Formats: sequence, structure tokens, C-alpha cells
Amino acid sequence: DAKTTQPPSMDCAEGRAANLPCNHSTISGNEYVYWYRQIHSQGPQYIIHGLKNNETNEMASLIITEDRKSSTLILPHATLRDTAVYYCIVKSGANSKLTFGKGITLSVRP
Amino acid sequence: GAGVSQTPSNKVTEKGKYVELRCDPISGHTALYWYRQSLGQGPEFLIYFQGTGAADDSGLPNDRFFAVRPEGSVSTLKIQRTERGDSAVYLCASSYAGTGGYNEQFFGPGTRLTVL
Repeated sequence: DAKTTQPPSMDCAEGRAANLPCNHSTISGNEYVYWYRQIHSQGPQYIIHGLKNNETNEMASLIITEDRKSSTLILPHATLRDTAVYYCIVKSGANSKLTFGKGITLSVRP
Repeated sequence: GAGVSQTPSNKVTEKGKYVELRCDPISGHTALYWYRQSLGQGPEFLIYFQGTGAADDSGLPNDRFFAVRPEGSVSTLKIQRTERGDSAVYLCASSYAGTGGYNEQFFGPGTRLTVL
């Protein structure tokens, strides 16, 4: 599975959009981009995934560049409860392991 | 509905002892995964079951670690002769058999293992 690169941390103000970047320059054609987050002392939680097209669900939006070498997770109206470590993961195959990096720590400030 | 549950939530043991960690997946999920997470790190894959069989055990660090899933539901992670370096949070996840090249893993809250 391709490796991903994320900045170690970022913060944003409550109510504003949080845009979390991820680089995956070696992604191959059959690999999906997944985002999970982990709130302190909890297990990781699935947020969203995508292959080529932009995706949106009730939690977030995922923007994937046309060359698929990078993506951005957007939390449109961040709340204090969105403070967590966010992991960008690239993998192929439905039933395969997730390879987590260190993720990006998002701090939402009041 | 019920999510993935793990017991115990905390386990303290002494170096050299044997421990068992239990995972109850979401009903109907055929795939089950074990990960472990050290402080400040992302979760690290250990083993993946599809039904009763281990489909990928490449993440088990050594032969002190073993996992079973005899009836394709509950799984037990077993650690023999525990070492202080085994201290971590052990996470379990389950999922449906994925189709179309993707699926979502649902994680439990983890078992925090401390080896003194």
C-alpha cells in the first residue's frame, strides 16, 4: 500500500472549516483513500473514503486531486468534539489491513 | 446496535505471565482484525481473520503472540511470557466481507495492557 504524508498538527477555530491535507504521491490505480479519526482514549472511527471522485457524507467531505497524488479532508463546521488525531490511509483490497501513520492532530479551539 | 466490544478494558500483569484478550465483533461481520497501539503512535496491524481462519498474520511480532477465532465470531488474542515492551492498547476491529474493493472497519474501545 502506498505511503501517506501528513503534517503533525493543526488547529482551527470552532465553527470554521478544518481542511486536513494528505500527500500520497505513490498511490496506484486500485488504491482507495480512507480517513479515520481517533478521539482520545477511543478506538479509531471511520470517516470517509474515495477512489477518484470527491465524496461527501454527514461527517465530512473528501477532495481528491485529479492526479490522485493528494487529498484534503474537510470538516465544514468544526466543533470542540472534532479534536482528535486524523489518519489518512491508502490501501487496496476490501479485506486488508489498515496501515496507520502518526496522523495529524487537529485541535479545535473555542 | 451493539458495536465491537473488548474485555477486559484494562489488564495489569507481571512480566512472564500469560494473558488473554477478548474481542466480540459486530454480529454478522466475517472479518476481524487485531491491532496494537503504543503511546504516541498510530495503531499497528497484528492479524486478520476471515471467518475462522487467519488470512494474514504478518503483523504478529513473534511466536509469543497467538490469536484464535474458533467459531468465526469471538476472537481471543493470547500473549505468552509477557514482556514490558508488550504494554500497549490492543484494538480489535470487524467488518463485513468487502465488495467493490473497499470496506469500513469498526473498532472497539481497546484493552490497555500494562506489563510490570
